[in-house]
Amino acid sequence: GDSVTQMEGPVTLSEEAFLTINCTYTATGYPSLFWYVQYPGEGLQLLLKATKADDKGSNKGFEATYRKETTSFHLEKGSVQVSDSAVYSCALNTGTASKLTFGTGTRLQVTL
Amino acid sequence: EAGVVQSPRYKIIEKKQPVAFWCNPISGHNTLYWYRQNLGQGPELLIRYENEEAVDDSQLPKDRFSAERLKGVDSTLKIQPAELGDSAVYLCASSALRTANTEAFFGQGTRLTVV
Repeated sequence: GDSVTQMEGPVTLSEEAFLTINCTYTATGYPSLFWYVQYPGEGLQLLLKATKADDKGSNKGFEATYRKETTSFHLEKGSVQVSDSAVYSCALNTGTASKLTFGTGTRLQVTL
Repeated sequence: EAGVVQSPRYKIIEKKQPVAFWCNPISGHNTLYWYRQNLGQGPELLIRYENEEAVDDSQLPKDRFSAERLKGVDSTLKIQPAELGDSAVYLCASSALRTANTEAFFGQGTRLTVV
């Protein structure tokens, strides 16, 4: 079945550091890939997505590229801020089942 | 535009008691999902509705869980009787379409603690 594997957290970075959160997937067919973010006290919200190979999703300075050859969708940001502290979850949707399959989430803590 | 609204936000009950969660999706969204998120895990789908029809309930423990979506709008998820292992966050989400690249909008969730 479909699955998503994320690097374990928590990840603690200093402000302005470079961020990478790894995400790899296993899926039947050609999934769409998503990164969701959950800020403290809030619900899951879409951060970015990519729907086909080599697509790059971007939002709020975050980027992720759909790599079919390595079945990966790593999240990156060049300079994190304290306000980026949240839980980041990678997910896929193959459309066949029309449901999101999530990774376990990675907690990011950014300090001054 | 109002988002997905869930209530209650928190619920503590004793085992063997019943509990119900309510969800109001975004207006116009035909697809509604209930997910369960156990501690340290990602959300897992329990049931998906297309309008008022449950089209995927394969992961719903039907011996104790039930759900309904009256008139294709609001939805209720019920557990009766609750067990200790049901402690989790229950998430409701909705989307306008059910294609693979359609964004799902999530509510804040209901955190259930069974003692």
